[in-house]
Amino acid sequence: AQSVTQLDSHVSVSEGTPVLLRCNYSSSYSPSLFWYVQHPNKGLQLLLKYTSAATLVKGINGFEAEFKKSETSFHLTKPSAHMSDAAEYFCVVRDSNYQLIWGAGTKLIIKP
Amino acid sequence: EAGVAQSPRYKIIEKRQSVAFWCNPISGHATLYWYQQILGQGPKLLIQFQNNGVVDDSQLPKDRFSAERLKGVDSTLKIQPAKLEDSAVYLCASSRVDSYNEQFFGPGTRLTVL
Repeated sequence: AQSVTQLDSHVSVSEGTPVLLRCNYSSSYSPSLFWYVQHPNKGLQLLLKYTSAATLVKGINGFEAEFKKSETSFHLTKPSAHMSDAAEYFCVVRDSNYQLIWGAGTKLIIKP
Repeated sequence: EAGVAQSPRYKIIEKRQSVAFWCNPISGHATLYWYQQILGQGPKLLIQFQNNGVVDDSQLPKDRFSAERLKGVDSTLKIQPAKLEDSAVYLCASSRVDSYNEQFFGPGTRLTVL
């Protein structure tokens, strides 16, 4: 069965510094992986997705993620945090029935 | 294009009362999903429709939850009677006919059961 673990419930960084949100997955086959962002009182928005093409995936708002099969990881990064990046981020794996399996979320806090 | 619409945005009820949520998906999206998101957790799929048929309702508590999508467009999710543990955000999402495609989410309905 597929599963996903987000290693940090909260991450706090200063504005202008790099962001790293960690995600490990478990899958019995080559997975499809996603990162979604949820701003307060707004709907979930797809940031980026990996579907067995290039292992380094670029998303919206300067975010990117690297698929590492040997480490079963799909960490989300951004070189320089902006105040508007403050939100909750979800790592998601798609199972063999095309259902989305969600991580518990990481709340990103940006300090001025 | 217009996004997924949900109403109401907030609802407060007492336990044992009934409540209904409404969702209007993006035009042309055949697949519609209802998720429950409890505070501090990721969304959990409750039910998935393709047009007006149910694809998956394995995690829907059928003794109290029901959902319908009679004309294959908008959908309602009902809880009757509500329990304290039903307090959550109920998210509706839609996608094109192939589940492989991206899901687009509405803003959600925040339910508080007192």
